[in-house]
Parts: sequence; structure tokens; C-alpha cells
Amino acid sequence: GQQVMQIPQYQHVQEGEDFTTYCNSSTTLSNIQWYKQRPGGHPVFLIQLVKSGEVKKQKRLTFQFGEAKKNSSLHITATQTTDVGTYFCAGRGTGANNLFFGTGTRLTVIP
Amino acid sequence: NAGVTQTPKFQVLKTGQSMTLQCAQDMNHEYMSWYRQDPGMGLRLIHYSVGAGITDQGEVPNGYNVSRSTTEDFPLRLLSAAPSQTSVYFCASSSHGQAIYEQYFGPGTRLTVT
Repeated sequence: GQQVMQIPQYQHVQEGEDFTTYCNSSTTLSNIQWYKQRPGGHPVFLIQLVKSGEVKKQKRLTFQFGEAKKNSSLHITATQTTDVGTYFCAGRGTGANNLFFGTGTRLTVIP
Repeated sequence: NAGVTQTPKFQVLKTGQSMTLQCAQDMNHEYMSWYRQDPGMGLRLIHYSVGAGITDQGEVPNGYNVSRSTTEDFPLRLLSAAPSQTSVYFCASSSHGQAIYEQYFGPGTRLTVT
């Protein structure tokens, strides 16, 4: 079955440092989404990528979708304490009706 | 718009008891789904529905039933609760067509089975 792996599982950074989380799928994805979950909260949608090689930016966040549509990354420049939370990728296989979530990367930002 | 609502927020069950987790959305979304979240395992799909009258199994469906009699509601039933079902349960909804669009999550139900 489809699997979406995400690394690292945990990341501690000093405030101001950069952060990257990676998402890898065992199968080709039709699209990939990224979500952020604050501690004690629910996942909140950040962005969706659809095209091979697509790059999208949201302020300090940069999202990439691999050329083969099997991997994706989220990069945060100059982290802030408000970036704390768990970041999930979620991919939909080609022709599939549902999303598979990655295991998430929990980001801690040390002031 | 209330978005996606879930009740109850917290629940404690004894092994063997049954209960229904409620989920409702007021955005006229076709796609609804249930996930469970356990430490270190991310969000795992239990069941999903692409429209009223249509449901399908996700990754971890055993021990759970769903139905979708209306567009708005998608209840999750635990048939005979087990300690392994202790988890946080999230309901989500989205538009659905050629792709699944942005998913809106409810606030979650924290379930403990003793």
C-alpha cells in the first residue's frame, strides 16, 4: 500500500536558524499538501502542490514538489517561536480517493 | 460558518463499551474522513466518504463503523472499545473532484479506553 515517510521526526533549532522537513512517498503522487499542527490543536492546511518540480513560497516558508512527484520538502528560513508545532505532509496517490499523511516533524524553537 | 464540529471533546470509556463520535460540517463538502492520531504515528486514516451514501475503509478501519446518510454528518462508531483505541480522533472535510482539496479539521475528540 501507499506509504508516506517524513524525516526528521523531531527537530530542535535556535530561534533564527533554518529548518527543513522532508517527505518521501513509495508511489507517485497526484498532489501533496502540507499542514501545521500547534501543540494541543488540530492540523491546519498550509499549501498544496500539484505540478512536478513546483516551488511555492509563503513568507519565510518554501515548499517544493520533486520532479518525479514522489518527494516534497518544507523549508523555513529564520525560524521564530511562532513556528513551533508539528508539520505534516499528506499525499494523494494517482487515481486514489484519499490522502495519506506522513508521520510528521515536530519542530521546537529555542528562544 | 461553524466549519467542522466534533462532539464530544473528551470521552472515557470502559473496555467493551460502544459509542459514537459525532462530526458535522456546514461547508457542503463532499469528502469527509476520520483520522486517529497517536504519538509518533502521525494521522492514520480510519474511514472516509466521497459523498452521501458512499463510504470506504482507510488504513486502520478495524473496530470502527461509519455511515454517511447526509452531506453534513459523518459519525464514527466504536463497536466494542479496546484500550488500543485510546487516541485523539479528528474528523476532516474538503471539496472533492479531480483532486482532494484543502482539508478542514475539527477540534478533535480525546478518547481514553480503560
